[in-house]
Amino acid sequence: GAGVSQSPRYKVAKRGQDVALRCDPISGHVSLFWYQQALGQGPEFLTYFQNEAQLDKSGLPSDRFFAERPEGSVSTLKIQRTQQEDSAVYLCASSIGQGSHEQYFGPGTRLTVT
Amino acid sequence: DQQVKQNSPSLSVQEGRISILNCDYTNSMFDYFLWYKKYPAEGPTFLISISSIKDKNEDGRFTVFLNKSAKHLSLHIVPSQPGDSAVYFCAASAGRAGSYQLTFGKGTKLSVIP
Repeated sequence: GAGVSQSPRYKVAKRGQDVALRCDPISGHVSLFWYQQALGQGPEFLTYFQNEAQLDKSGLPSDRFFAERPEGSVSTLKIQRTQQEDSAVYLCASSIGQGSHEQYFGPGTRLTVT
Repeated sequence: DQQVKQNSPSLSVQEGRISILNCDYTNSMFDYFLWYKKYPAEGPTFLISISSIKDKNEDGRFTVFLNKSAKHLSLHIVPSQPGDSAVYFCAASAGRAGSYQLTFGKGTKLSVIP
């Protein structure tokens, strides 16, 4: 079956613009995670959904970051009024459900804010 | 404060020899550990995992060892192949505490020399 897909793969935004990043998880996967990966670093947790419920958003760096998963499948990460420090790769991962630790990642969206 | 540490940014190994990648952690709530492999411009790919109730898990050429008292784990690849050249990330989760988000190290870049 298909893996996790993300779009767009690359996004260039001018400082102050809003962006929306999309994630299509593996079909049937209940849990969905967003991570941010800066250059030379490991991925860092942003937020977690179980079905449509956002159970943890403790990693979101500011209130400019917002994520949703309204029907419990596709998720969107929105960043308002982008800043240069938002430049990073945004990774989405899904897992089969509670109790499962293995997460499967998409290819990521590389966001560059100029 | 890094809770998962990979102290070697890079490692070079001759083809056919053993590659040993190390990882240390500080959070005693972590109860599940995973290794991911990442090629440039791709998302991390799940490789192998181990629960804290075990001290070893093997899958083909890959073996993960866990030393809970030392809060240390290692990934052994034998024999190493040129296709193993990638960045390897160690990750941990605290499922017992209800937290399935992954905490990653900064990665070790493995180069397998033909």
